[in-house]
Amino acid sequence: EAGVTQFPSHSVIEKGQTVTLRCDPISGHDNLYWYRRVMGKEIKFLLHFVKESKQDESGMPNNRFLAERTGGTYSTLKVQPAELEDSGVYFCASSRHWAGHTDTQYFGPGTRLTVL
Amino acid sequence: KQEVTQIPAALSVPEGENLVLNCSFTDSAIYNLQWFRQDPGKGLTSLLLIQSSQREQTSGRLNASLDKSSGRSTLYIAASQPGDSATYLCAVFGSSNTGKLIFGQGTTLQVKP
Repeated sequence: EAGVTQFPSHSVIEKGQTVTLRCDPISGHDNLYWYRRVMGKEIKFLLHFVKESKQDESGMPNNRFLAERTGGTYSTLKVQPAELEDSGVYFCASSRHWAGHTDTQYFGPGTRLTVL
Repeated sequence: KQEVTQIPAALSVPEGENLVLNCSFTDSAIYNLQWFRQDPGKGLTSLLLIQSSQREQTSGRLNASLDKSSGRSTLYIAASQPGDSATYLCAVFGSSNTGKLIFGQGTTLQVKP
């Protein structure tokens, strides 16, 4: 069974540009999560999809961030326009059942975003 | 507001030693708790999930305990090996309505041959 995959692994952009991160969850997993780790801080939750619906987006920092999960499969996280403080590692995770919000989460390798 | 703390931030031990990593949380009303390891430049690997009704969970040389009343979890690693060197993270689920995990900053473990 393939794990959670994320693309790209690294992205370097200039302030003001747009970046789109992609996450492919484990096949059949209803729940998809986005987290990020900024330098020196703990990993923080951004949002949670159940299938194609947003269950919890309380961690999204501001309206420059837009997450989508069309068709309940892969998800994208767009940052527009990017600011310096958006630099960090963005992780995606998934878990199996739509009702199992507190089940084991499986994480991808992360996308390292650097905003110059 | 739930906060998760892991002490120490770093730990270095000789190979073969048994060790305990600590995780504490401020609000005892948690749901499940998950332990992860992270190797440098890699993603998180799930080690164990302890359900809120459990006291212990074991996987191989790893044993995790949970004491909700005192706001603590420990991860016990038996007979440590150099391959155990990594950052260990604990995270709690604060609600049954969302899969939001609240993470500690992690303990970086080095096991010396």
